[in-house]
Amino acid sequence: QVLLQESGPGLVKPSETLSLTCTVSGGSVSSGSHYWSWIRQPPGKGLEWIGYTYYTGSTKYNPSLKSRVTISVDTSKNQFSLKLSSVTAADTAVYYCARVMVQSWFAPWGQGTRVTVSS
Amino acid sequence: EIVLTQSPATLSLSPGERATLSCRASQSVSRYLAWYQQKPGQAPRLLIYDASNRATGTPARFSGSGSGTDFTLTISSLDPEDFAVYYCQQRSNWLFTFGPGTKVDIK
Repeated sequence: QVLLQESGPGLVKPSETLSLTCTVSGGSVSSGSHYWSWIRQPPGKGLEWIGYTYYTGSTKYNPSLKSRVTISVDTSKNQFSLKLSSVTAADTAVYYCARVMVQSWFAPWGQGTRVTVSS
Repeated sequence: EIVLTQSPATLSLSPGERATLSCRASQSVSRYLAWYQQKPGQAPRLLIYDASNRATGTPARFSGSGSGTDFTLTISSLDPEDFAVYYCQQRSNWLFTFGPGTKVDIK
């Protein structure tokens, strides 16, 4: 059973860079069968796809966030990471990592980590 | 970017009733549509993929239908554990978008 777990600071200051890591257990990010993705959910709102990476390091980002997002993969640690630069209060959200099945669906998801942007 | 709209925003029903949720895409997504269930304080869970295929562990009372731009998620008889928010999601041109969600609450 594949499990994903997000980790990282729960509080980030405005204009700084948000950094999160997703650790995968029970499976390998190097499998080649899946992409690995980040999704966020602002308080009381819906879901927003951020982007995904493949074990080769290739990536695809949401056009609305592309200028600020970097997603990378570390196969040696079986992890993938998210960096979001120049954050504002609008980036306050629960951030989820998820596996992308058949290049189309998200399953499973991590439990999510809440990140607040505030000085 | 393909925009997904969901209706209604809120559906108030009683246990045992039938729920019908709609998801409409701004352009055709073929059958590349999934449905997720999210309960308070939890991560979303994949219910349906490829418009009509139940994911592992999805009860048979959940069914999906549709293709192109119009899709439906049906819960044949609401169980108390089904009261939650449901999101549709599409993949097109290797980009993903979610609908705004439909909340199914207890009448």
